[in-house]
Amino acid sequence: QQQVKQSPQSLIVQKGGIPIINCAYENTAFDYFPWYQQFPGKGPALLIAIRPDVSEKKEGRFTISFNKSAKQFSLHIMDSQPGDSATYFCAASWEGNEKLTFGTGTRLTIIP
Amino acid sequence: NAGVTQTPKFQVLKTGQSMTLQCAQDMNHNSMYWYRQDPGMGLRLIYYSASEGTTDKGEVPNGYNVSRLNKREFSLRLESAAPSQTSVYFCASSDETSGGPREQYFGPGTRLTVT
Repeated sequence: QQQVKQSPQSLIVQKGGIPIINCAYENTAFDYFPWYQQFPGKGPALLIAIRPDVSEKKEGRFTISFNKSAKQFSLHIMDSQPGDSATYFCAASWEGNEKLTFGTGTRLTIIP
Repeated sequence: NAGVTQTPKFQVLKTGQSMTLQCAQDMNHNSMYWYRQDPGMGLRLIYYSASEGTTDKGEVPNGYNVSRLNKREFSLRLESAAPSQTSVYFCASSDETSGGPREQYFGPGTRLTVT
């Protein structure tokens, strides 16, 4: 059962563009929504995370937008660079449950 | 700090062979996890351990066993490998007692091929 649906599966954007990756969840108990970034040959690493008490969080060029009523959240990368080329995973969990439920991942390619 | 380390980095097995994937963390974390990553499937939890001496099944536990040897080490065993277990395996750890974000720290992965 896929509790976190992620799209698109892959994305190609020109340098300077704004790639957007979307996730939708079903379980209303989720209260923590992180994004992980994975470079080829490496393990995933936490990029940015949000809790549902805010609608947006920015860290540098990375922004999470959160829509609680629609049960959706998305990652935006401003002024994208070739070094941002990686696979991005959204995830979700809830208080008292340390396990993360991951989306299926988006392979992002930023072309010069 | 090395963070989360995994051995081996690569392994090729024949169907029916057994092997143990090793994982260790030096961050004094309570929780440890084993995931497998397959194209188009994301990261799927195999087993996790909330503390030393406890283990629980995740989403895809069939064909695997785990041992939480101590607080640092969490191993994953394939008793009789099958081609369907060809995957990249990641170990991770987290510390839920910190009260902060439930960040999981991942190791570099083990690429396993079963022929």
